[in-house]
Amino acid sequence: NAGVTQTPKFRVLKTGQSMTLLCAQDMNHEYMYWYRQDPGMGLRLIHYSVGEGTTAKGEVPDGYNVSRLKKQNFLLGLESAAPSQTSVYFCASSLPWNTQYFGPGTRLTVL
Amino acid sequence: ELKVEQNPLFLSMQEGKNYTIYCNYSTTSDRLYWYRQDPGKSLESLFVLLSNGAVKQEGRLMASLDTKARLSTLHITAAVHDLSATYFCAVDTPNSGGKLIFGQGTELSVKP
Repeated sequence: NAGVTQTPKFRVLKTGQSMTLLCAQDMNHEYMYWYRQDPGMGLRLIHYSVGEGTTAKGEVPDGYNVSRLKKQNFLLGLESAAPSQTSVYFCASSLPWNTQYFGPGTRLTVL
Repeated sequence: ELKVEQNPLFLSMQEGKNYTIYCNYSTTSDRLYWYRQDPGKSLESLFVLLSNGAVKQEGRLMASLDTKARLSTLHITAAVHDLSATYFCAVDTPNSGGKLIFGQGTELSVKP
């Protein structure tokens, strides 16, 4: 059981480039989430999904898009990266109304 | 808007001492979670508190919940160096799709 995995672990982008972060879970969880973590601000929810084919906005959705085409995968896209999107990104998954399990994180730097 | 505030944000303790981390939240909540994060690592679930008066203990950590006061505490007993980490509380809200709102985190350093 791998739990929640994230790809890639590290990435450096130039301003204006695009990229996709992949989250995969093998626990058959319905709910999946994308957070960003910045110093002194805890974790902030970007987007989330309560099931395959559904997504919704979180606290800080601007500049990001997501897709959940398969139950086990949740993709986070940056169409035109900005330095303000430099952060550590965490994916999480859970059963409905249950503890969220977090992936190892992706450290993204936008120059 | 739900807000979650932790204090203190930084805590330096000596081994063997006791201390408490506080987590206040602003609106009605169904559940309160405590997580631990080691530097450069992911978040690990510690406790889930589901009802008023709930108390859970694991080793030197004990968490409690007072929903009337909208307050949770994480009490550390006889701290050891291995407890050094950042501790987050997080709260979800009714009909929120399980969304969590996190506190800022408390960075705990336990020194010999």
